[in-house]
Amino acid sequence: GQNIDQPTEMTATEGAIVQINCTYQTSGFNGLFWYQQHAGEAPTFLSYNVLDGLEEKGRFSSFLSRSKGYSYLLLKELQMKDSASYLCAVRNSGNTPLVFGKGTRLSVIA
Amino acid sequence: GAGVSQSPRYKVAKRGQDVALRCDPISGHVSLFWYQQALGQGPEFLTYFQNEAQLDKSGLPSDRFFAERPEGSVSTLKIQRTQQEDSAVYLCASSALAGGPADTQYFGPGTRLTVL
Repeated sequence: GQNIDQPTEMTATEGAIVQINCTYQTSGFNGLFWYQQHAGEAPTFLSYNVLDGLEEKGRFSSFLSRSKGYSYLLLKELQMKDSASYLCAVRNSGNTPLVFGKGTRLSVIA
Repeated sequence: GAGVSQSPRYKVAKRGQDVALRCDPISGHVSLFWYQQALGQGPEFLTYFQNEAQLDKSGLPSDRFFAERPEGSVSTLKIQRTQQEDSAVYLCASSALAGGPADTQYFGPGTRLTVL
């Protein structure tokens, strides 16, 4: 079976740092993606990891441990506009479809 | 047209009606994916094309669902005899390469289907 778990909801304060965790058990592994989705809008690509370690991109960083089946998305200097759902997705192999978690709804408060 | 576009953005259908949802991928993108997203859930895979070939349709929930991409560009997802459980957002995504290691899928805004 395939299973991707992430917390349903998180709340954080403007200016702070938040870490959104994702654990996965999939039949194969050829990359893990993080997407941001504002309500009623398209998911937009944030990051991609296929090797262990940290990928940094501005205020956003993503970490992967393949042996643990674990990833996290780190958001720094939170802004109100970061309030959105964050989707963790795994690609099993090649150019196959993504398997998504249910998403984490992040609320940034003043 | 920089991104993936979908039409209509909203569709209300009476139970039993047929609907057709259109996706225009990013120009030149080889792969095209359809996903279904229920409220508060992540997208779930429906079907996938590489150029005009439908390589995987294992996610289509029933034989009432049909997708095509006859010229390897625009795709249409058709749902026959719609049921209330078909109410969801239907997302289309495209990617540039066939099997590239960092082949990112870019999503359209989706079609929100409501079946009454």
